[in-house]
Amino acid sequence: DAKTTQPTSMDCAEGRAANLPCNHSTISGNEYVYWYRQIHSQGPQYIIHGLKNNETNEMASLIITEDRKSSTLILPHATLRDTAVYYCIVRSRGGADGLTFGKGTHLIIQP
Amino acid sequence: GAVVSQHPSWVICKSGTSVKIECRSLDFQATTMFWYRQFPKQSLMLMATSNEGSKATYEQGVEKDKFLINHASLTLSTLTVTSAHPEDSSFYICSARAPGQGTVEAFFGQGTRLTVV
Repeated sequence: DAKTTQPTSMDCAEGRAANLPCNHSTISGNEYVYWYRQIHSQGPQYIIHGLKNNETNEMASLIITEDRKSSTLILPHATLRDTAVYYCIVRSRGGADGLTFGKGTHLIIQP
Repeated sequence: GAVVSQHPSWVICKSGTSVKIECRSLDFQATTMFWYRQFPKQSLMLMATSNEGSKATYEQGVEKDKFLINHASLTLSTLTVTSAHPEDSSFYICSARAPGQGTVEAFFGQGTRLTVV
């Protein structure tokens, strides 16, 4: 699986959009970008994934650059409950292995 | 979304004893489940892959005789920490994939906090 790079931490004001970047410059053609988050002392939660088109669901939007070397997870209206560690993971869709978690970004939503 | 449940949520045990952690997929059948371990302020580390009806596959550095994994049914995998030591104190998390959805997103249990005293 391709390596990803994320900022260690970020702050965002409550009610504003939180934009979390992820670099994955070595991503290969069949690899998807997945985002998970982990609220303190809980198991990770799936957020969204994409291949090359932008994706949106009830939780977030995922913007992938045209060259696919980076992506941004957008939480449109952050709340205090969005404070968590966010993990960007790149892997092939057919992969049968477990996930490889990096250090992620600790997003802190400020009141 | 699919639901994965772990039990217990937390457990305290004495050194030398064994502890069993259960991971259940509540609304789908999971032929493959995964076990992770997370030490404080660190990321999740994959320990092993649990396959229904066959032996688990362990990651390098994980002792298979210490961390016994049983996946006897399509909805249940168990992790037994044998002869527990204080250094085994950690947050243990399982995950499972819901088949037939055309994607590979994993669903995680809520985790089990193990404290060995």
